[in-house]
Amino acid sequence: DAGVTQSPTHLIKTRGQQVTLRCSPKSGHDTVSWYQQALGQGPQFIFQYYEEEERQRGNFPDRFSGHQFPNYSSELNVNALLLGDSALYLCASSLTTGQPQHFGDGTRLSIL
Amino acid sequence: QQQVKQSPQSLIVQKGGISIINCAYENTAFDYFPWYQQFPGKGPALLIAIRPDVSEKKEGRFTISFNKSAKQFSLHIMDSQPGDSATYFCAARPTGTASKLTFGTGTRLQVTL
Repeated sequence: DAGVTQSPTHLIKTRGQQVTLRCSPKSGHDTVSWYQQALGQGPQFIFQYYEEEERQRGNFPDRFSGHQFPNYSSELNVNALLLGDSALYLCASSLTTGQPQHFGDGTRLSIL
Repeated sequence: QQQVKQSPQSLIVQKGGISIINCAYENTAFDYFPWYQQFPGKGPALLIAIRPDVSEKKEGRFTISFNKSAKQFSLHIMDSQPGDSATYFCAARPTGTASKLTFGTGTRLQVTL
């Protein structure tokens, strides 16, 4: 039973570029949340997707957007990348909203 | 805005000892308090969780103690092992938000032989 899978594992971009990160939830899970984890910090909630709609959002600018597909997989898009966007981006899935979240191993994004 | 404060930042415990990590929260409208364990290069893994109507929950060597009036909760790891060496995060979920976890800043635990 595959857990949460994220791709790519590592990514290097330059300032101003755009990036798309992908997430496949754990089998049977229909809710996906995205978190940003800066080095040495706890994860910070970006947003949650359920039934292909953004249901909740954290304190992140509109440069951060997402999408959920009918198969429950999800994408995180970040536009106009800033140096401060360098972080580990984590995807978490759960069986409906409110249930325990299972995290993937993340995508390490480095901005030069 | 930090709503969950975690301490200590780092902790060294001898094998067989008890590791204790503390968290305090400011917002009373939290209804779920999980603890996550994270190894280098890996995502956080759910360890144990508690709801505010319970004062203690034990799963194997891991115990959460919850003090609702003091707005504090702690993780106790009994008989700590070198394999427990990792970063531990407490978290809290605001009531009605379903999945929006607010994490503490983490505690780096090292268990020595």
